[in-house]
Amino acid sequence: GDSVTQTEGLVTLTEGLPVMLNCTYQSTYSPFLFWYVQHLNEAPKLLLKSFTDNKRPEHQGFHATLHKSSSSFHLQKSSAQLSDSALYYCALSVAKLTFGGGTRLTVRP
Amino acid sequence: EAAVTQSPRSKVAVTGGKVTLSCHQTNNHDYMYWYRQDTGHGLRLIHYSYVADSTEKGDIPDGYKASRPSQENFSLILELASLSQTAVYFCASSDLGVDTGQLYFGEGSKLTVL
Repeated sequence: GDSVTQTEGLVTLTEGLPVMLNCTYQSTYSPFLFWYVQHLNEAPKLLLKSFTDNKRPEHQGFHATLHKSSSSFHLQKSSAQLSDSALYYCALSVAKLTFGGGTRLTVRP
Repeated sequence: EAAVTQSPRSKVAVTGGKVTLSCHQTNNHDYMYWYRQDTGHGLRLIHYSYVADSTEKGDIPDGYKASRPSQENFSLILELASLSQTAVYFCASSDLGVDTGQLYFGEGSKLTVL
């Protein structure tokens, strides 16, 4: 079946350093890939969605590139901010949305 | 902004009791979903619906029922609550299937079963 793997459950880094959250997936189809972000005591919200034309989606300084050859959709940002501290979910869609286990990002001053 | 509201936001239930979580959306969306959130497991789909009076099983439907009496309302029912059902439950809606539409989540309902 379809699955999403986020290898890091917890990432802690210092403000200003680059961010990279890993996401790999397995699917027999060519799914859409998503990143959702959930701040403390809030609902998950869509952060990024892959495009069908291989454009790189960007939002709030975050970007992600879909690499079909390696089945990956890693989330990146050049410089972390304190407000980026949140729980990040990678997800794929094939008829229904399947989420990874989530990565909690903590950014320290 | 899309609006999805859940009630109750927090509930303590006893083992073997019945629990109903309610969800209301004002987005005129056809699709509605119930997910549960557990640390390390992420968000897992319990039930979903794409039209009123019809529900579909998700990935972990055992121990849960769902009801969609109207386009706006979608309930999750635990007939016999168990300790393992302690979790945070999220309702979501989308205007299209997940392939093209984004999900709009409610604020979550924290359920504690004692």
